[in-house]
Amino acid sequence: GAVVSQHPSWVICKSGTSVKIECRSLDFQATTMFWYRQFPKQSLMLMATSNEGSKATYEQGVEKDKFLINHASLTLSTLTVTSAHPEDSSFYICSARDAVGLQETQYFGPGTRLLVL
Amino acid sequence: AQSVTQLDSHVSVSEGTPVLLRCNYSSSYSPSLFWYVQHPNKGLQLLLKYTSAATLVKGINGFEAEFKKSETSFHLTKPSAHMSDAAEYFCVVSGGSNYKLTFGKGTLLTVNP
Repeated sequence: GAVVSQHPSWVICKSGTSVKIECRSLDFQATTMFWYRQFPKQSLMLMATSNEGSKATYEQGVEKDKFLINHASLTLSTLTVTSAHPEDSSFYICSARDAVGLQETQYFGPGTRLLVL
Repeated sequence: AQSVTQLDSHVSVSEGTPVLLRCNYSSSYSPSLFWYVQHPNKGLQLLLKYTSAATLVKGINGFEAEFKKSETSFHLTKPSAHMSDAAEYFCVVSGGSNYKLTFGKGTLLTVNP
């Protein structure tokens, strides 16, 4: 089946630094990828939609200058948390849309846990 | 607009007994519906999906779900729970041209020995 990887799986950083998270579709091409944030014991909150070769579309309340998204190829999207602060600590999950034929399905990465000290 | 309501935040069953996780949805479009499972500190795994074909959908690990348009429901069932089924389950709806997923709040399934 379709596999999506994320790197790193865990990151600890100091407040004020920037962190880049990669999301890759390993065996299919993904014109659209999505970035989610999940707080403990809560559901996933969509942050932004990433389209290959164009600017990301951010959900209301998500700061685009803080969460930079780049989707440079059909298999890679990156999320950079700029000037991270402790409140940015969370579980970040990406998904990639596999749009073969009419059966479009999103496949999720394993997530990246970010801890900002 | 679309929304998902998972009717139970926590379901507890004994091993070997049936599982029922309830989900109701609303959508302005002909929806696609999914169930995903998340084990602790892990990403989400697709269990099954409904995309306007057969209303009874069979998924992995013995799970299945029935799409009932008249009741706007998509409940997840399994005849016999296994300890490894203990996890968080999300009912998800997709619709419209932007392919966005709308998640339910999740149901935590506990399986007792």
